[in-house]
Amino acid sequence: DIQMTQSPPSLSASVGDRVTITCQASQDIITYLNWYQQKIGKAPKLLIFGASSLETGVPSRFSGSGSGTDFTFTISSLQPEDIATYYCQQYHGLPATFGGGTKVEIK
Amino acid sequence: EVQLVESGGGLVQPGGSLRLSCAASGFTFSLYGMNWVRQAPGKGLDLISYISTTSTTIYYADSVKGRFTISRDNVQNSVYLQMNSLRVEDTAVYFCARDLDYEASWGQGTLVTVSS
Repeated sequence: DIQMTQSPPSLSASVGDRVTITCQASQDIITYLNWYQQKIGKAPKLLIFGASSLETGVPSRFSGSGSGTDFTFTISSLQPEDIATYYCQQYHGLPATFGGGTKVEIK
Repeated sequence: EVQLVESGGGLVQPGGSLRLSCAASGFTFSLYGMNWVRQAPGKGLDLISYISTTSTTIYYADSVKGRFTISRDNVQNSVYLQMNSLRVEDTAVYFCARDLDYEASWGQGTLVTVSS
């Protein structure tokens, strides 16, 4: 199985800050990577697919980049409603596998 | 609009069984692989089972292999998870999810609690 290593496990930032999360795959996954947002008690919501494509309706402050084994997810200006846990997930191989998550809090 | 609605969760004793269902609507169900992903309390996301469009490819995580069975009905637009020999560590929210690729879509989840 492809292992996904996500960091940091948690972060605290101020409203308006730029927030960056990284995800590393154990092998080349090209750009077969999703990023999700999960709020407490809710299902994960797809934000980014194909490593850098924004899902319809998702605010443009969210972005993704990378290819191969190294990927980055960015919130350009953190908003109070962005408090959530964020997960990366690869779909290059079966089974799909997830990073461990990054809990984002407001400082 | 894509909708996935899980049902069948609840409280069960260790060693017991449950059958989860996921009813799909808003898309051509027979064209998509389906997944069951679980999330233990306070933990991350874990794919436990996958079934391809015609049920020819099936995957189980080692943690559930031999105890859980995934199936689908392309007429009823539903996917199922039969869970036997349940353990305390199977306690989790179970999500049904359509193909975990660029068209990923998730249900709201159903809670399974295994406790005596």
